[in-house]
Amino acid sequence: AQSVTQPDIHITVSEGASLELRCNYSYGATPYLFWYVQSPGQGLQLLLKYFSGDTLVQGIKGFEAEFKRSQSSFNLRKPSVHWSDAAEYFCAVGGRGGSQGNLIFGKGTKLSVKP
Amino acid sequence: GAGVSQSPSNKVTEKGKDVELRCDPISGHTALYWYRQSLGQGLEFLIYFQGNSAPDKSGLPSDRFSAERTGGSVSTLTIQRTQQEDSAVYLCASTTRGQGAVGELFFGEGSRLTVL
Repeated sequence: AQSVTQPDIHITVSEGASLELRCNYSYGATPYLFWYVQSPGQGLQLLLKYFSGDTLVQGIKGFEAEFKRSQSSFNLRKPSVHWSDAAEYFCAVGGRGGSQGNLIFGKGTKLSVKP
Repeated sequence: GAGVSQSPSNKVTEKGKDVELRCDPISGHTALYWYRQSLGQGLEFLIYFQGNSAPDKSGLPSDRFSAERTGGSVSTLTIQRTQQEDSAVYLCASTTRGQGAVGELFFGEGSRLTVL
């Protein structure tokens, strides 16, 4: 069955520290991969996406993610976290197969940033 | 406007009343999704429309929930006989579809429903 797992419900990092948010997926077809961010009281905004080609993708706000097919992962990274990065982050998988309109979201990881 | 528009942004209702939530997708987007986000929860898929195809209703939690999409554009999510557990933010998103695959979703800011 298609699924997306974000193992960490809540992560706290210090401002200036590096960040990695984990995402693992199970998807029968060739996946399209997305990371979205939701700031408090806001809708979801796309951070970055992977469709094909270079497995390291750059996004907005200094984020990047790497697609590792062998590990079925698409982890989100940022070298130095800013206080404004405090938000909830959602990984999503889409493509030609699957249910829910061919798009499945993880349950999210809430990021807190310590000063 | 250029983005996905949802109304109302906030709705407070009494238990047992019906509510309608509206979504105006981005012009030209053929696919439209509804999600529910409860406090501290992730995105719960509700329903998906794609062009003129029959909608995927597999996420609707009960028969009190229904949705329609008129003319392939505006969508209305209706909740009948609201219950307190229906309190949540209801998010709408739209996207284009290419070669049968989903693309980037564009989200509205949501409709916050509070059932007293």
